[in-house]
Amino acid sequence: QVQLQESGPGLVKPSGTLSLTCAVSGGSITSTNWWSWVRQSPGEGLKWIGEIYHSGSTNYNPSLKSRLSMSIDKSKNQFSLKLTSVTAADTAVYYCARKNYQMQYLGGVHWFDPWGQGTLVTVSS
Amino acid sequence: EIVMTQSPAMLSVSPGERATLSCWASQSVNNNLAWYQQKPGQAPRLLIYGASTRATDIPARFSGSGSGTKFTLTISSLQSEDFAVYYCQQDNDWPYTFGQGTKLEIK
Repeated sequence: QVQLQESGPGLVKPSGTLSLTCAVSGGSITSTNWWSWVRQSPGEGLKWIGEIYHSGSTNYNPSLKSRLSMSIDKSKNQFSLKLTSVTAADTAVYYCARKNYQMQYLGGVHWFDPWGQGTLVTVSS
Repeated sequence: EIVMTQSPAMLSVSPGERATLSCWASQSVNNNLAWYQQKPGQAPRLLIYGASTRATDIPARFSGSGSGTKFTLTISSLQSEDFAVYYCQQDNDWPYTFGQGTKLEIK
């Protein structure tokens, strides 16, 4: 089955750039799924960051949009996240997840599954 | 942004009893509602999507209901492995948003 694994620095300096990669195994990143990032912190709880399709199309959370970029590398079957100008408020566990879709009688529905194990990123000098 | 509110924040229930968790949306999300279970140190695990469809390999004691702005997750007979934090999440509109969670603890 599909598995996701996050990787990247666990410590980022304030005003720096947070960069993470999610490697997808057991399936193709060019499937008909969107690929998402979600973070979790004690202060914010679970927060959806954004998503990317293999075409390069993206949807971002407006609260992060000005600092956020996502990319996809089909040759490596992975996707990435960059968040600039970070502060302590960006300290969180970052998860990558696959977004799935199904048409039901009331309309299309989406859900996140599977998830990566998560990686803690601390913003501190 | 759609705000998701869960109630109660904490619920104490004895094994074998029924647990009922609630989730409200600040505006209609139709049936675009998922439930997740999270245990310490683990990623969220999908339980329910489309408000009432059980995910693969999720036991039948988990059921979801509701539409519009009010949703319920029911666990019919609690097992020891069910004590965890439960989150609802709407996928009706961007940005997708989560509730703050209900912690289900052993009574």
